[in-house]
Amino acid sequence: EPEVTQTPSHQVTQMGQEVILRCVPISNHLYFYWYRQILGQKVEFLVSFYNNEISEKSEIFDDQFSVERPDGSNFTLKIRSTKLEDSAMYFCASSREPGGNTEAFFGQGTRLTVV
Amino acid sequence: AQSVAQPEDQVNVAEGNPLTVKCTYSVSGNPYLFWYVQYPNRGLQFLLKYITGDNLVKGSYGFEAEFNKSQTSFHLKKPSALVSDSALYFCAVSPTQSSYKLIFGSGTRLLVRP
Repeated sequence: EPEVTQTPSHQVTQMGQEVILRCVPISNHLYFYWYRQILGQKVEFLVSFYNNEISEKSEIFDDQFSVERPDGSNFTLKIRSTKLEDSAMYFCASSREPGGNTEAFFGQGTRLTVV
Repeated sequence: AQSVAQPEDQVNVAEGNPLTVKCTYSVSGNPYLFWYVQYPNRGLQFLLKYITGDNLVKGSYGFEAEFNKSQTSFHLKKPSALVSDSALYFCAVSPTQSSYKLIFGSGTRLLVRP
């Protein structure tokens, strides 16, 4: 069964450092997403990406965040200057159609710890 | 504001008994509703969805959910629980057909005891 894969599974970084989280979506999917879950809190939408541009983003997704699809298979989330409050589990997801029409498939997550 | 509520942090049930995990939503218009399950060290796995049609939706692993528009609820159910159903369950809503995002509830931990 096809799946979304994320690397690394756990990343520890120092405050102020840049970090890139990587994802390989399911190959025939066109819509890509990042969500995050701070420990003990809800899963929150960050951004969606379609046709090489951001289609929707939340207020969490400020100038410190960026997304990119550098090649035909990877989808990345970059945090330019990490803060302690960026510590969370980050989930990548992909779907064949926009969020309302079909289910999204999620990766296993990357746990980001900012120290 | 758009939101999803899962009023129970944890649900305990004995194996073989029916289970219900509750979800209510607050979204204008006709939402699209989803249930996801998360096992330890795994991503969120899709269980079922409601878009339109029958209020009772059947999904993976014997789960079903009932959409109730008047009560704005979408409770997850299973007639006979298994120990292997123990996991974290998330209700989610997509506000519109064209919206790209999912709004998640806080999650409910289901514990099925042998």
